[in-house]
Amino acid sequence: ETGVTQSPTHLIKTRGQQVTLRCSSQSGHNTVSWYQQALGQGPQFIFQYYREEENGRGNFPPRFSGLQFPNYSSELNVNALELDDSALYLCASSPAGGNYGYTFGSGTRLTVV
Amino acid sequence: GQQVMQIPQYQHVQEGEDFTTYCNSSTTLSNIQWYKQRPGGHPVFLIQLVKSGEVKKQKRLTFQFGEAKKNSSLHITATQTTDVGTYFCAGIPDGNKLVFGAGTILRVKS
Repeated sequence: ETGVTQSPTHLIKTRGQQVTLRCSSQSGHNTVSWYQQALGQGPQFIFQYYREEENGRGNFPPRFSGLQFPNYSSELNVNALELDDSALYLCASSPAGGNYGYTFGSGTRLTVV
Repeated sequence: GQQVMQIPQYQHVQEGEDFTTYCNSSTTLSNIQWYKQRPGGHPVFLIQLVKSGEVKKQKRLTFQFGEAKKNSSLHITATQTTDVGTYFCAGIPDGNKLVFGAGTILRVKS
């Protein structure tokens, strides 16, 4: 059983650019959530996908968007990058809508310069 | 803003001492989850509590969920150096939005 895998592990982008982060959920998990974690803070909920539909969203602007595919893998897209978007982006998957805890990936460290 | 508050922010204990972190929500939670994040790592799920007043144990770790389902605690007995990390509580106050506390950083002196 593989866990949650994220790619890339590190990324440097310029302000104004667009970025796509990828996540493969753990086998058997149909729910994927994305989080932003700034240094020294707790993960902040961006949004969640359940069976390819967004079923929850945090306080992030529309330039943060996502997708979930039929195999339950997911993408996080961020447009018009800002310096404050620099953070660790975590993907987490869960069976049955998140009611049994989440398995996190190792994250993508995004630096915006 | 942050609906799940966690205290203390930081605790430095001598190996063998006990440690407790507290979590409080402004609203009733359907469940509370606890995670541990080692330095440079990612959050790892520890446990989920669902019932009012529930108490669960995992070896030296004891988790409690308050009667009103608004607060929770994690207690570690006789800390070891392997307990080092940040402990997060997380709950769902509404919808499907899992809200994390800011975490308690635990450092253990050997």
